[in-house]
Amino acid sequence: SAVISQKPSRDICQRGTSLTIQCQVDSQVTMMFWYRQQPGQSLTLIATANQGSEATYESGFVIDKFPISRPNLTFSTLTVSNMSPEDSSIYLCSVGPLNTEAFFGQGTRLTVV
Amino acid sequence: GQQLNQSPQSMFIQEGEDVSMNCTSSSIFNTWLWYKQDPGEGPVLLIALYKAGELTSNGRLTAQFGITRKDSFLNISASIPSDVGIYFCAGQNNFNKFYFGSGTKLNVKP
Repeated sequence: SAVISQKPSRDICQRGTSLTIQCQVDSQVTMMFWYRQQPGQSLTLIATANQGSEATYESGFVIDKFPISRPNLTFSTLTVSNMSPEDSSIYLCSVGPLNTEAFFGQGTRLTVV
Repeated sequence: GQQLNQSPQSMFIQEGEDVSMNCTSSSIFNTWLWYKQDPGEGPVLLIALYKAGELTSNGRLTAQFGITRKDSFLNISASIPSDVGIYFCAGQNNFNKFYFGSGTKLNVKP
């Protein structure tokens, strides 16, 4: 398994501002993913963070709103830009080496006021 | 993204009873996973299934990868109060992406 640390664990932000969430893994991993879990909902894949190239976004998610960085094989950031109350969710980082399980960090609980 | 249909949405059971939940998809998956999520926490992996037809146990949990690769079930035997939580299925496709079911909220009465 992999140990995944996410920072911050929670934050309360003003609408119109941006928040950058960090994800650190204790070992090099091929795949890193970002998910959103809206209140009472399941997990929705936002994007795949690609090392050395632009992230691959799922339908309904765009780079301007959720810019992602992946500078190396153990670290990634997700920024939630120009936030509105609808962005209040848990944001989860996940790692998944090829053909094995997806492991999750504890998540970042974001509240936008 | 791909849709997984998970049922039931919620269950209220008595301690000691067995529980069954399942997921179906219109798409084929290479891997099926079952997670449990407690309030304020990220999902924790319970069981991973890699081959069609595979039946795997983890203590009181048993899960199967459907032969069509489009479905999976999770059984919990002799439920206890700490089984309370939300259970999610997840399927992994050919692009190594995971898609999640809508979750089954389990309540266990002591």
